[in-house]
Amino acid sequence: GQNIDQPTEMTATEGAIVQINCTYQTSGFNGLFWYQQHAGEAPTFLSYNVLDGLEEKGRFSSFLSRSKGYSYLLLKELQMKDSASYLCAVMDSNYQLIWGAGTKLIIKP
Amino acid sequence: GAVVSQHPSWVICKSGTSVKIECRSLDFQATTMFWYRQFPKQSLMLMATSNEGSKATYEQGVEKDKFLINHASLTLSTLTVTSAHPEDSSFYICSARGTDAQETQYFGPGTRLLVL
Repeated sequence: GQNIDQPTEMTATEGAIVQINCTYQTSGFNGLFWYQQHAGEAPTFLSYNVLDGLEEKGRFSSFLSRSKGYSYLLLKELQMKDSASYLCAVMDSNYQLIWGAGTKLIIKP
Repeated sequence: GAVVSQHPSWVICKSGTSVKIECRSLDFQATTMFWYRQFPKQSLMLMATSNEGSKATYEQGVEKDKFLINHASLTLSTLTVTSAHPEDSSFYICSARGTDAQETQYFGPGTRLLVL
């Protein structure tokens, strides 16, 4: 079967750095997406990785290792507004998105 | 970035009525649109995938006669919840993708449905 694993919940301190991991096993791979979802709102797109390596976009970076079936989302200089769920999703060989359950990130002052 | 709108954002209706939700891609042509449902504190659940001009593909366990999907143009898809019941109360979110299957899905803001 196909599955995406990510931690259920993480806590970090304002101003710090946090890394949210995602491991996957899918039938085929056409890219990995990270989305942010605030409570009561729809997901918003953060990043897309299809090649190995690190993609940096401001305070957020996303890393991919296809051989390990592994990705992480790195958030720097954490702000209170970063409190949200972070969803990892992999596009399989049929171009279907397989969704992780999401990681709820709690930021403390 | 790509913008997807959804209307209405909130619906409260009586049990047995039908509710239509619209999803529009505002600045790009969406070959494919997706409809998701999300219950409180749960993951996104894909309900169906629709391609413009063809019938929607429903996920296992989703009743196609209850959740009618129409994708009549490259910028509009509608989801109609027929004969809604309280257990259909949920957060319904659409997403849209352009012509390339590898493109990013962009989400609408969601529609919160409450069936009394």
